[in-house]
Amino acid sequence: DAGVTQSPTHLIKTRGQQVTLRCSPKSGHDTVSWYQQALGQGPQFIFQYYEEEERQRGNFPDRFSGHQFPNYSSELNVNALLLGDSALYLCASSSSANNEQFFGPGTRLTVL
Amino acid sequence: GQNIDQPTEMTATEGAIVQINCTYQTSGFNGLFWYQQHAGEAPTFLSYNVLDGLEEKGRFSSFLSRSKGYSYLLLKELQMKDSASYLCAVRKASGTYKYIFGTGTRLKVLA
Repeated sequence: DAGVTQSPTHLIKTRGQQVTLRCSPKSGHDTVSWYQQALGQGPQFIFQYYEEEERQRGNFPDRFSGHQFPNYSSELNVNALLLGDSALYLCASSSSANNEQFFGPGTRLTVL
Repeated sequence: GQNIDQPTEMTATEGAIVQINCTYQTSGFNGLFWYQQHAGEAPTFLSYNVLDGLEEKGRFSSFLSRSKGYSYLLLKELQMKDSASYLCAVRKASGTYKYIFGTGTRLKVLA
């Protein structure tokens, strides 16, 4: 059973560009949450998707958007990249049946 | 407001016991979670408390006092591989998976 997978592993972009990150949840999970983790900080909640809709959102600007597909996989899109968007982006999946979130390995985004 | 506080760094010796504290002030509470995160890797789940008291899982135990907004993670028989960051996270409400994370406690285990 594959756990949560994310792609790509690393990404380098320049300011103003756009980026799309991808996540496939653990088998049996229907909910996907995205987090941003800056170096030396804890993960910050971006948003959560359930049944292909954004169910909750953290304090992130509209430049951050997402999508969930019928197979529960998800994408995170960031427009007009800023230097401050450089971070590890984590995807976590869970099911409505239990309490545990499983994290993917993350995508390391560097904005130059 | 929402606030989760943990010590930034701790150091302990191999074979010893260490307690990592976490205090929280959040609007809503439906569970406290501890995660371990090795450098450059994703967080991995360690424990979950929703009721007051101690939950034991092998070398790891976690305690919760909801009235005090306080939790701790206890690691026994420390091993070198326990050197990592330990994240305390609060889930805000039932039916939601929005977690508020602390900044993490970086634990160094010395030989």
